[in-house]
Amino acid sequence: EIVLTQSPATLSLSPGERATLSCRASQSVRSYLAWYQQKPGQAPRLLIYDASNRATGIPARFSGSGSGTDFTLTVSSLEPEDSATYYCQQRHNLFTFGPGTKVDIK
Amino acid sequence: QVQVVESGGGVVQPGRSLRLSCAASGFAFSNYGMHWVRQAPGKGLEWVAFISYDGGNKYYPDSVRGRFTISRDNSQTTLYLQMNSLRAEDTAMYYCAKDTHSGNDYGYFFDYWGQGTLVTVSS
Repeated sequence: EIVLTQSPATLSLSPGERATLSCRASQSVRSYLAWYQQKPGQAPRLLIYDASNRATGIPARFSGSGSGTDFTLTVSSLEPEDSATYYCQQRHNLFTFGPGTKVDIK
Repeated sequence: QVQVVESGGGVVQPGRSLRLSCAASGFAFSNYGMHWVRQAPGKGLEWVAFISYDGGNKYYPDSVRGRFTISRDNSQTTLYLQMNSLRAEDTAMYYCAKDTHSGNDYGYFFDYWGQGTLVTVSS
């Protein structure tokens, strides 16, 4: 099983600041990685797929990078509505999710 | 627009069975693989099952293999999850999700999700 580790567990930033979230895989997943945003009481929403492609309707302030075992989700300028938990997910060997990073907007 | 709506959740005793349904609309259901993903209260996401567009390929994690069965009826655009021998640790919100890629046998990512149906396993 491929294990995904996310850091930090929690991130507290102010509006307008840049957020950098990390996801590390226990073995290479090539570029088969996605990022999701989940707000309390809601279903997850796909943000990024294939490591760096924005999903339909996702604002340009969200970007993804990386390949192999190290990946990053960047939010260039945080908005209040970006307060959520963010999960990475791989599909190289079945499907697994990381434990999530909670982003709080001060 | 794309819509997936889960149903069938509820309270069930350990060891019993439950069948979840997911009604899909707004896209060519028979062209896409589908997934079930669950989330225990206050916890993260766990993928539970995948079925390819034609039902020919099915995959499960070790935690549910042999107890859960995913199936689909393309004529009714409906996805199912049969859950047997339920355990307390199966308590979760169960989400139905559409795969991003059409016509593939292995699954990719999840681009449309329902609002979930809650399953509680308790005596």
